[in-house]
Amino acid sequence: EAQVTQNPRYLITVTGKKLTVTCSQNMNHEYMSWYRQDPGLGLRQIYYSMNVEVTDKGDVPEGYKVSRKEKRNFPLILESPSPNQTSLYFCASSLSWQETQYFGPGTRLLVL
Amino acid sequence: GEDVEQSLFLSVREGDSSVINCTYTDSSSTYLYWYKQEPGAGLQLLTYIFSNMDMKQDQRLTVLLNKKDKHLSLRIADTQTGDSAIYFCAETFSGNTGKLIFGQGTTLQVKP
Repeated sequence: EAQVTQNPRYLITVTGKKLTVTCSQNMNHEYMSWYRQDPGLGLRQIYYSMNVEVTDKGDVPEGYKVSRKEKRNFPLILESPSPNQTSLYFCASSLSWQETQYFGPGTRLLVL
Repeated sequence: GEDVEQSLFLSVREGDSSVINCTYTDSSSTYLYWYKQEPGAGLQLLTYIFSNMDMKQDQRLTVLLNKKDKHLSLRIADTQTGDSAIYFCAETFSGNTGKLIFGQGTTLQVKP
């Protein structure tokens, strides 16, 4: 089944404790992206990747890192999480940046 | 700048039609999308329309695009309780590296 998977789905952590949210797609998509969803704000792009080893900042990149060492994986790294990063995170992928994006199930993060 | 606006809430009775509206500011939009988010779930792509189209119909869904007024609407015919969800409109435009600009989301409540 073609899909985008994220792990973990739910995470509670404390300020400053490094964490990684994984994202994987099995559709051989070149383009991958991370968004965060906050009430009243819709979804905002954090980082995106056009292809392997090509990443760039979206609208809200502060406090996040990404890497794209393989085509299928695009992990989101929070080196020192803070409470304002409490949010619902979505990974998305598409054949290319001009094609329709398909979203993962989301990761709900709470930073205490 | 990039901005997408939606009304926050819509309530209808089962069997009625629902119309969810969206306005956008960027005249260089290429694709406009409707995504559905059910409680606790990810984003499901419902339909999309290319910016040179006026209308697209897909079973119970009708998308209307008024480019002059930069207005997009999603009509759901014969609305069912299973249609209760948050609906997001989103746009992407030429040269924006694939970033989706989302509205705040419209919560659709379907009463039996």
